Amino acid sequence: DGGITQSPKYLFRKEGQNVTLSCEQNLNHDAMYWYRQDPGQGLRLIYYSQIVNDFQKGDIAEGYSVSREKKESFPLTVTSAQKNPTAFYLCASSISAATYNEQFFGPGTRLTVL
Amino acid sequence: DQQVKQNSPSLSVQEGRISILNCDYTNSMFDYFLWYKKYPAEGPTFLISISSIKDKNEDGRFTVFLNKSAKHLSLHIVPSQPGDSAVYFCAATVQGAQKLVFGQGTRLTINP
Repeated sequence: DGGITQSPKYLFRKEGQNVTLSCEQNLNHDAMYWYRQDPGQGLRLIYYSQIVNDFQKGDIAEGYSVSREKKESFPLTVTSAQKNPTAFYLCASSISAATYNEQFFGPGTRLTVL
Repeated sequence: DQQVKQNSPSLSVQEGRISILNCDYTNSMFDYFLWYKKYPAEGPTFLISISSIKDKNEDGRFTVFLNKSAKHLSLHIVPSQPGDSAVYFCAATVQGAQKLVFGQGTRLTINP
């Protein structure tokens, strides 16, 4: 069964702690993306990666970091520098950077910082 | 600065009737538009798209209309079914820009 896995579904952290959100895909897609969704707002792009060992900042990258050491994995770290980390985080992938308009999404992780 | 806006947070429609979801955009450079559908606890899934060279694209019960002069697109669902109850996001892009810009979403509820 091909798809995108995000774990856990719900995550709680104390303020000031870094936290890493997992995103794994077995679709053999080159490109991967991280979005954040807040109530009343659309999905906003945090970071994206066109290929292994490469990534670029999206519109709201401050306070976040990523790595792309393996094709199937694109973890997102929410650092203590992120002022409002509580949100719903979605990971997506596409066959390649050229097909970025055909993204497949994971189920999301809801992060709550207490 | 919200470049893609869905001004109706929610919409309720009777089963069998037409559902019309609206989306406005401000960036005249956008040349490709998409609609995604999202069920609770799942990620968004692609529904239908349209290029700016067209003003209509149809796929079964779903039709997207694009009015470039008004910078407006709409998604029509006919006839509406209970399984259509979901949140619908419109998205736009400039081809080659490597990213999609999403609207806030509209929650559609189909009543039996």
